[in-house]
Amino acid sequence: AQSVTQLGSHVSVSEGALVLLRCNYSSSVPPYLFWYVQYPNQGLQLLLKYTSAATLVKGINGFEAEFKKSETSFHLTKPSAHMSDAAEYFCAVSDRGSSNTGKLIFGQGTTLQVKP
Amino acid sequence: DSGVTQTPKHLITATGQRVTLRCSPRSGDLSVYWYQQSLDQGLQFLIQYYNGEERAKGNILERFSAQQFPDLHSELNLSSLELGDSALYFCASSPSPGHEQYFGPGTRLTVT
Repeated sequence: AQSVTQLGSHVSVSEGALVLLRCNYSSSVPPYLFWYVQYPNQGLQLLLKYTSAATLVKGINGFEAEFKKSETSFHLTKPSAHMSDAAEYFCAVSDRGSSNTGKLIFGQGTTLQVKP
Repeated sequence: DSGVTQTPKHLITATGQRVTLRCSPRSGDLSVYWYQQSLDQGLQFLIQYYNGEERAKGNILERFSAQQFPDLHSELNLSSLELGDSALYFCASSPSPGHEQYFGPGTRLTVT
């Protein structure tokens, strides 16, 4: 079975500071991993994805994530936070087991607060 | 705009009632997924359809059902509603299982 754990339900950074949102996964098969962002009263927007190509993945809005198999991690980073980055962020793993449904298993989410 | 549309945006109904949520996937996407988002359970997978056929079921209650029509739009039917069914319901689509999913704006269901 696959699972995702996001460390820290709330992260607060100052504008211009580094953003680091942590995600660890568990998967019995090579995982496909995703980060989504949810702004208030909106749906989920895909930030970036890892599907077994390059381990450093660049996404939209200046975000990137690095897949580390030895650490079973897929942490999301951004060098300099902007006020507009304040939102909830979800890490997800895709079901690629024997059924290969592609359903997403989500972490509990991390709320990012950006202080001026 | 993800290209996935959901209607209605908001729905307020009473306990015991039945509602239907509608989803139109992105053009060309054959796979539709339904998810429920609530404060206590987070984002939970409910059910998946691929090209008109049910492909996978998650934590979906027996009071809930879904279908995907020949034009690939999907409907999620919720019946005998309870207060605990109040949540955001998202539809997502992908070209095929395993590809990234694109989410609709969601339907906020409030059961009173």
